[in-house]
Amino acid sequence: DADVTQTPRNRITKTGKRIMLECSQTKGHDRMYWYRQDPGLGLRLIYYSFDVKDINKGEISDGYSVSRQAQAKFSLSLESAIPNQTALYFCATGTVNTGELFFGEGSRLTVL
Amino acid sequence: SQQGEEDPQALSIQEGENATMNCSYKTSINNLQWYRQNSGRGLVHLILIRSNEREKHSGRLRVTLDTSKKSSSLLITASRAADTASYFCATFRRGAGGTSYGKLTFGQGTILTVHP
Repeated sequence: DADVTQTPRNRITKTGKRIMLECSQTKGHDRMYWYRQDPGLGLRLIYYSFDVKDINKGEISDGYSVSRQAQAKFSLSLESAIPNQTALYFCATGTVNTGELFFGEGSRLTVL
Repeated sequence: SQQGEEDPQALSIQEGENATMNCSYKTSINNLQWYRQNSGRGLVHLILIRSNEREKHSGRLRVTLDTSKKSSSLLITASRAADTASYFCATFRRGAGGTSYGKLTFGQGTILTVHP
């Protein structure tokens, strides 16, 4: 089984719909992250969490919200999806000392 | 804004040749990391070099770091078709006090194609 699991892997939705992307990890890391990847733009940080009680905005948090339900679970929500949120979304877990990240396989979201 | 900028954006070589990718960054760092991404898949950590290191090897990978020039290079020797992927550099800068958020910032990546 993968250390970092994302669901769904692919989702097509319509403008205005609420979408939740879920992430769970078995690595035992406290730190969890949500990134967005767009062609030619690399990865951009949406939100990150150091533990269940700690949630922080990243570079591009507008239009997104997150919930850290447990140490192993971190979900990303789009309250009202819009077409420019079409992208590949990655969840990652990390270590304190070096910043090395462990990524899930990604969730491809298409907003029509 | 992106901390790391990678060069070239795309690289096409024949199997057996060496591939060199470069990364430049703007601010001081604690370490620099290279990741690989197969098409549509998650990123996989390849190698980490600390700011006080100049060169590091891992199998066919060789990474150099020049903090005075704020640049790094990734060399893949004797490339294989299976090395075809996107390669990203990411710079890590520890937050104030050492325990607060350390920011990992990714470059835009180099697309490497290795032809059989």
